Amino acid sequence: DADVTQTPRNRITKTGKRIMLECSQTKGHDRMYWYRQDPGLGLRLIYYSFDVKDINKGEISDGYSVSRQAQAKFSLSLESAIPNQTALYFCATSDDEWNEQFFGPGTRLTVL
Amino acid sequence: DQQVKQNSPSLSVQEGRISILNCDYTNSMFDYFLWYKKYPAEGPTFLISISSIKDKNEDGRFTVFLNKSAKHLSLHIVPSQPGDSAVYFCAATGVYGGSQGNLIFGKGTKLSVKP
Repeated sequence: DADVTQTPRNRITKTGKRIMLECSQTKGHDRMYWYRQDPGLGLRLIYYSFDVKDINKGEISDGYSVSRQAQAKFSLSLESAIPNQTALYFCATSDDEWNEQFFGPGTRLTVL
Repeated sequence: DQQVKQNSPSLSVQEGRISILNCDYTNSMFDYFLWYKKYPAEGPTFLISISSIKDKNEDGRFTVFLNKSAKHLSLHIVPSQPGDSAVYFCAATGVYGGSQGNLIFGKGTKLSVKP
């Protein structure tokens, strides 16, 4: 079984809809991250959490919110989706500051 | 402004030859560097890393070289194999400052290894 899972794997939605992407991990790591990847732009950090009570904004947090429901679960929400949020979204985990991060398989989100 | 730059979007190499992927950074507070490999429809996977106290780290066919004065690192793959065809991301972090310990990624280089 995969250590880091993401649901859904693909989602098509309409402008203005609320969307939640979920991430679960079985690695027992405290640190969890959400990234988005756009063609030609690499991975950019949206939010990160170092433990259940610690949530931090990343480089591109506007338009997104997160919830750390448990050590193993970290959800990303788009309160009102817009077309330029169409991207590939990755969740990742790590267990120390040296940041060897373990990534989930990604969620491809399309906002029409 | 990009703090981690991979200036070659793509690279094509013949099987058995050396692949050299380059990465430049601008933030002098970065002290740990990582390479990730990404296949289509999968998440990135960690490949190799190097601390700023070293100038070389080797793991099988993969070697990463760090030139701190030039703020440049490179990943060498020898010999290259068709299964190495993927997008390679360079990432940097400053554990003691520079990015609050978070990874800053380059845009990636797509490596194609031809049989």
